[in-house]
Amino acid sequence: GAVVSQHPSWVICKSGTSVKIECRSLDFQATTMFWYRQFPKQSLMLMATSNEGSKATYEQGVEKDKFLINHASLTLSTLTVTSAHPEDSSFYICSARRDEQFFGPGTRLTVL
Amino acid sequence: DAKTTQPPSMDCAEGRAANLPCNHSTISGNEYVYWYRQIHSQGPQYIIHGLKNNETNEMASLIITEDRKSSTLILPHATLRDTAVYYCIVAPYNQGGKLIFGQGTELSVKP
Repeated sequence: GAVVSQHPSWVICKSGTSVKIECRSLDFQATTMFWYRQFPKQSLMLMATSNEGSKATYEQGVEKDKFLINHASLTLSTLTVTSAHPEDSSFYICSARRDEQFFGPGTRLTVL
Repeated sequence: DAKTTQPPSMDCAEGRAANLPCNHSTISGNEYVYWYRQIHSQGPQYIIHGLKNNETNEMASLIITEDRKSSTLILPHATLRDTAVYYCIVAPYNQGGKLIFGQGTELSVKP
């Protein structure tokens, strides 16, 4: 299947700092990527749809000023968690659509 | 909200077939049935999808009822590495189609 990578795989930061997570489609171009968040023992929750060359579309209840999404190229989308707080600690997963939707390995964010 | 209903957990003996059911009684005509699985602390992995015909690939088989209101994912010879949470999702097949995950079924394959 297609390969989607994420970087970093885990990150620990202090409260109040910003963290950037990268999502790359390694062997195909993706005009649309998706960002999910997953808390322990819960299912994946869709946060936003990232559109190449245009603004992201956020799901209801997701703060767009806190979770900044940039999709500057057909192979890269970034999610920046601004002014992170402990409640933002979670597993963040991206996906990209070729024929089917393929998911990255996830990024574990811990905010102290 | 997710449009599917799955049992929260199931057990299966290693080497036996695992049959995972999914109800999607409100599925629309243009929506496909997708199955993904998530092994602990990893991203979801695509398994199979179908519209109305039964499908088979190297990983699994998908059986969709004639009225399309339910389906069953079959892992023919489950191994310990198949222990994961299995998600059944219905969504349109198009480039913009987002996947909304329900709670899934936690499958435990036991020796």
